[in-house]
Order: sequence, then structure tokens, then C-alpha cells
Amino acid sequence: SQTIHQWPATLVQPVGSPLSLECTVEGTSNPNLYWYRQAAGRGLQLLFYSVGIGQISSEVPQNLSASRPQDRQFILSSKKLLLSDSGFYLCAWSHRGPDNSPLHFGNGTRLTVT
Amino acid sequence: SQQGEEDPQALSIQEGENATMNCSYKTSINNLQWYRQNSGRGLVHLILIRSNEREKHSGRLRVTLDTSKKSSSLLITASRAADTASYFCATERHKLIFGTGTRLQVFP
Repeated sequence: SQTIHQWPATLVQPVGSPLSLECTVEGTSNPNLYWYRQAAGRGLQLLFYSVGIGQISSEVPQNLSASRPQDRQFILSSKKLLLSDSGFYLCAWSHRGPDNSPLHFGNGTRLTVT
Repeated sequence: SQQGEEDPQALSIQEGENATMNCSYKTSINNLQWYRQNSGRGLVHLILIRSNEREKHSGRLRVTLDTSKKSSSLLITASRAADTASYFCATERHKLIFGTGTRLQVFP
């Protein structure tokens, strides 16, 4: 069966420090991969998605970047965190192919920038 | 924007009652999906309804879709305390766009 791992679960970082959040998927090949951010009590904002190794699409201009060094690995990074980067970050995957594929989410990373 | 908007934002009911949540969206879609999120956790996919479908059932869940009104509803029948969570609709055309969610509280 497919599983998705996301770590760390919680993170407290000072403003200006770098960030690296990692997500890996097991049990499937060639997945679409996604990073979402959820502000407190709000919906999900799509940050990045990837349909293959090295292929990253950015949805919103921001202080973050994403990379996909391996087929089932998706990394969210920042060189210098801002206070506004605080939030709940969720990684997700879906089967590649036509529409109608539901997303499978990790358990999220709670990031607090102080 | 294609973003769905759920209504109500919050809903409190007693165990055994039915819970109805609504979702409205703005542009044409290929499908609409409902997800559930327990506090502090990731989202879990509940049900997907395609644009050519009008109603779908899964256990105690019933989803309707009215593409002419650009709206969908999620009905949870005979609710349980364990149904307490936030529920999100998500619309898909080229990518999945989530709404802001309905927080459901079911009191025992």
C-alpha cells in the first residue's frame, strides 16, 4: 500500500534562518507531488506541484522554493524565513494521469517562525 | 477564482442528527471532492463526484452536485462524535483548489 511521510511534525525557527521540509512517498511510482500551506482556521493554498523529477510549478510568488531530486521525494525550502511563513505545511501525492485522482496527504508540519 | 466556499463555516449538532454542508464554486469543473481534516492532521479524501454525476453515496455520506448552480452538498447521516472535524470541498479542473472548510462539532 502507498504511504506518505512528512517531517518534522513541528518546527520552531527564528526569522532569517533556512528551512528544509521533506516529504517522501512509498508504494507508488511517478506520483504527482504537492505542497500546500494552511493558515490557522483557513483553507489550503497550493504552493508548488510537480509532475516529475526536476519539474516544479509554483503557484504563488513567495519566499519558498521546492525541489524534487528523486521520483518520490519532494522538498520545501527557504533560504531566509519570514514571520509570514508560519503555518501548517502539507505534502500530498496523487496518481499521475487524467483528472479525477484524489490527493493523499501527509500529517503536516507545523512551522512557527519567531 | 475557482475556489470553493463552504457554508456554514461552523456547525454544531447532537449525535444522531444529520449534518449538511454546502459548497459553491465559480468556474466549470471536471470533478468535485470532499475531504475531512481532524485537528492538526492531514486531510483525508472522502468522496469524489464527477461533473456528469448528480448524486453519490458512501456509507453515511451523501454528496450531491448541481453544475447549473455550481454547488455541492455533503450530508452526513446519523452523526457520531467521531465525525467531529473540518470538512473541505475541492474543485478540480486542471488542478485541485480547496475551499475554506466547515468545522463540524458533534456533541455526544
